[in-house]
Amino acid sequence: AQSVTQLGSHVSVSEGALVLLRCNYSSSVPPYLFWYVQYPNQGLQLLLKYTTGATLVKGINGFEAEFKKSETSFHLTKPSAHMSDAAEYFCAVTLFQGAQKLVFGQGTRLTINP
Amino acid sequence: SQTIHQWPATLVQPVGSPLSLECTVEGTSNPNLYWYRQAAGRGLQLLFYSVGIGQISSEVPQNLSASRPQDRQFILSSKKLLLSDSGFYLCAYTPRESTDTQYFGPGTRLTVL
Repeated sequence: AQSVTQLGSHVSVSEGALVLLRCNYSSSVPPYLFWYVQYPNQGLQLLLKYTTGATLVKGINGFEAEFKKSETSFHLTKPSAHMSDAAEYFCAVTLFQGAQKLVFGQGTRLTINP
Repeated sequence: SQTIHQWPATLVQPVGSPLSLECTVEGTSNPNLYWYRQAAGRGLQLLFYSVGIGQISSEVPQNLSASRPQDRQFILSSKKLLLSDSGFYLCAYTPRESTDTQYFGPGTRLTVL
């Protein structure tokens, strides 16, 4: 069965610093992997996804993630944090069973310090 | 362009009252549709999904039900709400043109008192 573990429920960085949000997955088949961002009282917005092909994927707002099969990881990074990046971030792996089903991690709340 | 709407945005209901949340999708035909619940500190839980009109699959046994009366309309219902039904309800869809990605609506905040 698919599962996702996000290391660190809260991450705090200074404005301008590197952002690193960790995600490890478990999947019995080649996974599709996603990062979503959620601002307070809003729905989830897709940041980026990995399906096949290039293992380094770039998303919106300057974020990128690298799929590392040997480490079963899909960590999210951004070189320089901005105050507007403060939000909750969810990593997800997909399972296709009649319809696409997403299995989410518990989320990481990112705080940006001025 | 494709859009997804949820109604209402917020709702406060007493225990034992009925519930109806609506989700509609525009700009695509025959999407897969999903209902999730996000309870405080518990991540996102898939409740129901639908691959077509009248086709509903339930993921978690509970006092909620879902219906799909039209191609792009997905309804979440309950006959009698429980305190534990409080949470943030999110509807999502995958378009037929790109079935590998789910797109989420703005959500409904439900508080059961």
